[in-house]
Amino acid sequence: AQSVSQHNHHVILSEAASLELGCNYSYGGTVNLFWYVQYPGQHLQLLLKYFSGDPLVKGIKGFEAEFIKSKFSFNLRKPSVQWSDTAEYFCAVLTGGGNKLTFGTGTQLKVEL
Amino acid sequence: NAGVTQTPKFQVLKTGQSMTLQCAQDMNHEYMSWYRQDPGMGLRLIHYSVGAGITDQGEVPNGYNVSRSTTEDFPLRLLSAAPSQTSVYFCASGGWGASGYTFGSGTRLTVV
Repeated sequence: AQSVSQHNHHVILSEAASLELGCNYSYGGTVNLFWYVQYPGQHLQLLLKYFSGDPLVKGIKGFEAEFIKSKFSFNLRKPSVQWSDTAEYFCAVLTGGGNKLTFGTGTQLKVEL
Repeated sequence: NAGVTQTPKFQVLKTGQSMTLQCAQDMNHEYMSWYRQDPGMGLRLIHYSVGAGITDQGEVPNGYNVSRSTTEDFPLRLLSAAPSQTSVYFCASGGWGASGYTFGSGTRLTVV
């Protein structure tokens, strides 16, 4: 079965610092990859997605992610974080022809002023 | 366009009670899923459906039932609630292709 690993469980950064959150998946077939964000008390919102083409994907709010097939990775990056980026971030992989979305355990990001 | 609507938003149950969490989407999506979110465990898939009349089990299906009689609705039934089912439940729907899933606002369930 497919799985998704997020190795950073809690990250604390100062405003303007750069961010990189790791995501690795285990699945040998074609995958579609996603990053979702969950702000405190809210539901999940899509940050960005990859399904084919350019492995560097740009999303909303200045986030980007790079798909490295050889490393089974899809790391999330942002050059300069803001206090408002404080949230939980989830990596997810879509398999099974699009009917099964599997999530990692999430990374809690806290941005301090 | 309401997206994915979940009701109720909050619920407290006694052990052994049953209830149904409602989920409805108005985007004509084929795929619908139920997840539970617990601290430190991310979102775990309970059941999912690829279309009306078709459902399948996810990672943690025990204690839950689903049905999909229409494209729009995908209710989740707790047959006999247990404290271990205390969680936040999210419903999600998605269409063909890699468009991603749209999530509802969640139901916070406490079983005492």
